[in-house]
Amino acid sequence: AQRVTQPEKLLSVFKGAPVELKCNYSYSGSPELFWYVQYSRQRLQLLLRHISRESIKGFTADLNKGETSFHLKKPFAQEEDSAMYYCALNRDDKIIFGKGTRLHILP
Amino acid sequence: GAGVSQSPSNKVTEKGKDVELRCDPISGHTALYWYRQRLGQGLEFLIYFQGNSAPDKSGLPSDRFSAERTGESVSTLTIQRTQQEDSAVYLCASSPHGLGAAGEQYFGPGTRLTVT
Repeated sequence: AQRVTQPEKLLSVFKGAPVELKCNYSYSGSPELFWYVQYSRQRLQLLLRHISRESIKGFTADLNKGETSFHLKKPFAQEEDSAMYYCALNRDDKIIFGKGTRLHILP
Repeated sequence: GAGVSQSPSNKVTEKGKDVELRCDPISGHTALYWYRQRLGQGLEFLIYFQGNSAPDKSGLPSDRFSAERTGESVSTLTIQRTQQEDSAVYLCASSPHGLGAAGEQYFGPGTRLTVT
């Protein structure tokens, strides 16, 4: 079955420290993966897609097919990065979401 | 421009009653999705509309759940004979096209449903 696993419910990181939010997937085809973010009192929004290989707000994510992972990384955390992050997989135009990781940036 | 809107923002209902949730997608978006988010859980896919194609209802958890969409505009999600386990935030999202752009979903603010 296709699924997305985010093993950490909560991740606390000091400001200025590196951030890595883990995401593993299972999918039999060629995966299309995304990271979504929800800031406090805001709507869920797309952060980045692996096919565009972009860096948004300093975040990057590399698809590792060997490890079936799509971890989200940022070298230096900022307080405004505190939010809920969801990893997601496109399965036949339906988006399968992980359970999310709450990132808490400590001052 | 206007984003995806949902109404009501909050709904409290008694167990056994029917509820109707509404979603207004972004104008011109052909694809529309409904998700359910229970407390502490991820987003659970419910149903997907794409243009005039038959909707993908594979995520609806029971026959008490149904959804309609008028052309490429408003959608309503109906839950009949609500149960306490239906309590969740119901999110709607729209997308400019279907295939290949599903990741460009624009989400509404959600409807928080509480069944007492």
